[in-house]
Amino acid sequence: AQSVTQLDSHVSVSEGTPVLLRCNYSSSYSPSLFWYVQHPNKGLQLLLKYTSAATLVKGINGFEAEFKKSETSFHLTKPSAHMSDAAEYFCVVSERSSNTGKLIFGQGTTLQVKP
Amino acid sequence: SQTIHQWPATLVQPVGSPLSLECTVEGTSNPNLYWYRQAAGRGLQLLFYSVGIGQISSEVPQNLSASRPQDRQFILSSKKLLLSDSGFYLCAWAIGQGGETQYFGPGTRLLVL
Repeated sequence: AQSVTQLDSHVSVSEGTPVLLRCNYSSSYSPSLFWYVQHPNKGLQLLLKYTSAATLVKGINGFEAEFKKSETSFHLTKPSAHMSDAAEYFCVVSERSSNTGKLIFGQGTTLQVKP
Repeated sequence: SQTIHQWPATLVQPVGSPLSLECTVEGTSNPNLYWYRQAAGRGLQLLFYSVGIGQISSEVPQNLSASRPQDRQFILSSKKLLLSDSGFYLCAWAIGQGGETQYFGPGTRLLVL
């Protein structure tokens, strides 16, 4: 069975400092992993996706994530936070062997960026 | 390019009233379609998915139903709303099956009073 655990429900950083949002996953099969961002009252926007190519995945807005199979982790990072990064972030797993494309969502991490 | 629309954007309904939320996708054919609900302060819960016209799979037993009358149209309905149906409803589409990226609509905020 698949599952996703986002280790922090809330992360607060100062503008210009690094961002780290932690995610651990569990999957019986080779997973696809995603990070989505959601601004208040908006839909979800894809930040980046891992599908077994390079383990370091670069996404939009300066975000990147590293797939570490030995640690079953897929943490999201950004070198320097911007005020516009304040939002809810979701780590998501999907099994590529599935014929339904169902996604399993983490509970989300709220990122606060202080001026 | 592909776009996904949801309407209405917001909806306030009394308990016991019916519901119809619509989702349409443009620029693609035969997508997989998904309905999610996001309760306040919580993650997303998959409600229904569809791999083709008239094909609906339900993930969570409840008083909601879904239909797919056309290839790129997905409708979420209820005959009688409950207070617990309040939330943010998101529609998504994907091409292909396992492991493919899902693209989300702007969502509908439903408040049941």
